[in-house]
Amino acid sequence: DAGVIQSPRHEVTEMGQEVTLRCKPISGHDYLFWYRQTMMRGLELLIYFNNNVPIDDSGMPEDRFSAKMPNASFSTLKIQPSEPRDSAVYFCASSYPSTGNYGYTFGSGTRLTVV
Amino acid sequence: AQSVTQPDIHITVSEGASLELRCNYSYGATPYLFWYVQSPGQGLQLLLKYFSGDTLVQGIKGFEAEFKRSQSSFNLRKPSVHWSDAAEYFCAVAPGYGGATNKLIFGTGTLLAVQP
Repeated sequence: DAGVIQSPRHEVTEMGQEVTLRCKPISGHDYLFWYRQTMMRGLELLIYFNNNVPIDDSGMPEDRFSAKMPNASFSTLKIQPSEPRDSAVYFCASSYPSTGNYGYTFGSGTRLTVV
Repeated sequence: AQSVTQPDIHITVSEGASLELRCNYSYGATPYLFWYVQSPGQGLQLLLKYFSGDTLVQGIKGFEAEFKRSQSSFNLRKPSVHWSDAAEYFCAVAPGYGGATNKLIFGTGTLLAVQP
C-alpha cells in the first residue's frame, strides 16, 4: 500500500493567488481528515469526511478555505485568495474505524508558503 | 470539551537513558488515546493506541504507554533511547463513544533531543 499521498510536497505562492492541495487516501479507508500544523497553533483539524461527505468543517478558518471529496480516492483543499498567514504544513490523513482500527494514517504533508 | 496537555515542550536525554513523556487529558469518560511521532519533514506515524483492556500498551520501536484513569494520564516510555528517537511526539485523544470516536484532538507536542 502506498499510504496517504499528498501533492504537492511544497508550494510557494503569492498572496492573493488560489492554492489547491491534493490528497489520495488509502484505498478502502472511509474517513479523510485535513489538518494544518503551525508553530503557534500546533495541529488543527480543519475538516473531515466520511464516505465522501463532509461531517465537520468547524475548523475551517474562514470562507477562503474550501474542501471537497468528489470520490473515495481523492480530496482537495483550496484556499482562495491565499494570505501569508495561511503559511503552514497541511496534512491529510485517512482511517477505517469500522474495523475497530481507530487512529489515522498521515500523508507526508504539503508545506505551503504564501509570500 | 476534551483537551490534551503535554506539559513538556522540549526534553533532552542521553542516548541509552530511559525516557518518559507526559500526557494528560481532560474528558468525562474513558477516551481513545494515541501517541504519534513526527520526524522532521515527515507526517505523523502512529506509535501505539489504547482503547480498553490492559492499561499498559506496547507499540512500535520499543515504546510503551500506560493509561492511568485516576491521573487522567497516558505517559509514553522507553527504557533505552536511541539517537534515531529524536523527533517530536504527539499525544492525541478521541471520544470513546458517540459519533466522533474517530475525531482526534492532538496535544501541542514534545520535542525530544538525544545527546550522544
